[in-house]
Amino acid sequence: AQSVTQPDIHITVSEGASLELRCNYSYGATPYLFWYVQSPGQGLQLLLKYFSGDTLVQGIKGFEAEFKRSQSSFNLRKPSVHWSDAAEYFCAVGGSAAGNKLTFGGGTRVLVKP
Amino acid sequence: DVKVTQSSRYLVKRTGEKVFLECVQDMDHENMFWYRQDPGLGLRLIYFSYDVKMKEKGDIPEGYSVSREKKERFSLILESASTNQTSMYLCASRLAGSGYNEQFFGPGTRLTVL
Repeated sequence: AQSVTQPDIHITVSEGASLELRCNYSYGATPYLFWYVQSPGQGLQLLLKYFSGDTLVQGIKGFEAEFKRSQSSFNLRKPSVHWSDAAEYFCAVGGSAAGNKLTFGGGTRVLVKP
Repeated sequence: DVKVTQSSRYLVKRTGEKVFLECVQDMDHENMFWYRQDPGLGLRLIYFSYDVKMKEKGDIPEGYSVSREKKERFSLILESASTNQTSMYLCASRLAGSGYNEQFFGPGTRLTVL
């Protein structure tokens, strides 16, 4: 069965500092990997996704993620955090072997200090 | 832009009531999904539908049913609401085909069962 682990429940970062959110997945075939963001009171918005090709993926809002097959990881990064990045972030894995359903991690809540 | 709307942002019901949560998407997507979101657990799939009148159980279907009579509408039904169904409910839709196609989410319905 597929699964996603986000080891950090909460992260606090100062505005302007860098941010890295960890995601580890388990999937028995070629995975599709996604990062979503949920701002307070909002639905989920896609930040970026990976299927194949270049293992460094660029997304919206200045985010990027790197796929590392050997470590079963898909960590999300941003070089300089803005106060508006305070939100909850979800990593998800899916693929054709799972009927294209997604499995989500537990989420990481990011707090931004001024 | 894809728009996924949910009938209510907040809903308060009593134990034993029958509850209907409605979701409508405007992009002619074949696939639709219902998730519940709980702190620390991320999103868990309740039911999904690949197309009209088709439905499949997700990971936590107990206590729920669904209806998909029209392509644009996917309803989640709590036959007899219980307090452990107090949660945030998120609807999503996606274009059929490649698992690389992202899911688009509605704003969510926060349901409280008293």
